[in-house]
Amino acid sequence: DIQMTQSPSSLSASVGDRVTITCRASQGISTYLAWYHQKPGKVPKLLIYAASTLQSGVPSRFSGSGSGTDFTLTISSLQAEDFATYYCQNYYSAPLTFGGGTKVEIK
Amino acid sequence: EVQLLESGGGLVQPGGSLRLSCAASGFTFSTYAMSWVRQAPGKGLEWVSDIRNSGSSTYYADSVKGRFSISRDNSKNTLYLQMNSLRAEDTAVYYCVKMSGDNHHYALDVWGQGTAVTVSS
Repeated sequence: DIQMTQSPSSLSASVGDRVTITCRASQGISTYLAWYHQKPGKVPKLLIYAASTLQSGVPSRFSGSGSGTDFTLTISSLQAEDFATYYCQNYYSAPLTFGGGTKVEIK
Repeated sequence: EVQLLESGGGLVQPGGSLRLSCAASGFTFSTYAMSWVRQAPGKGLEWVSDIRNSGSSTYYADSVKGRFSISRDNSKNTLYLQMNSLRAEDTAVYYCVKMSGDNHHYALDVWGQGTAVTVSS
């Protein structure tokens, strides 16, 4: 099974900050990588797929990069509505594993 | 509008069974693979199972293999998850999720609101 490791597990940041979250796969997954976020009490939402393609309707301050085993999600200027937990997910092969999550909190 | 509406959750004793349903609308159901993802209280997301658009291929997490069965009825636009031999660790909110293509090499682009399953005596 492919393990997905996210770092950090949590971070504190201020509105306007640039935030970077990393995700590492235990073996190569090409660009079969998605990013989601989940606000408290809400349903997860797809942000980025194919490692770097922005889902329709997602603000351009979100971007993704990487291929193979190392991936990054960047929020260029953190907004109040971005405080949430972020998950990466492998869809290269079953089981379609998620990372453990990164909780982005207000500093 | 694309919608996924789960039902069938509830309280069940250890060793019991439940069948979750997910009614899909607003898209051509038979075109897309579907998945179940769960989230235990206070925990992260865990992929449970997925099924190809035609129903010809199914996949399961090791934690549920042999106990859960995913199926779909494309004539009724409905996805199912039959859960047998339930354990306390199966307690979670179960999300029905649409995949953005016909197999599981696609992201999870539309999520239902979830249905809660509690396994307890």
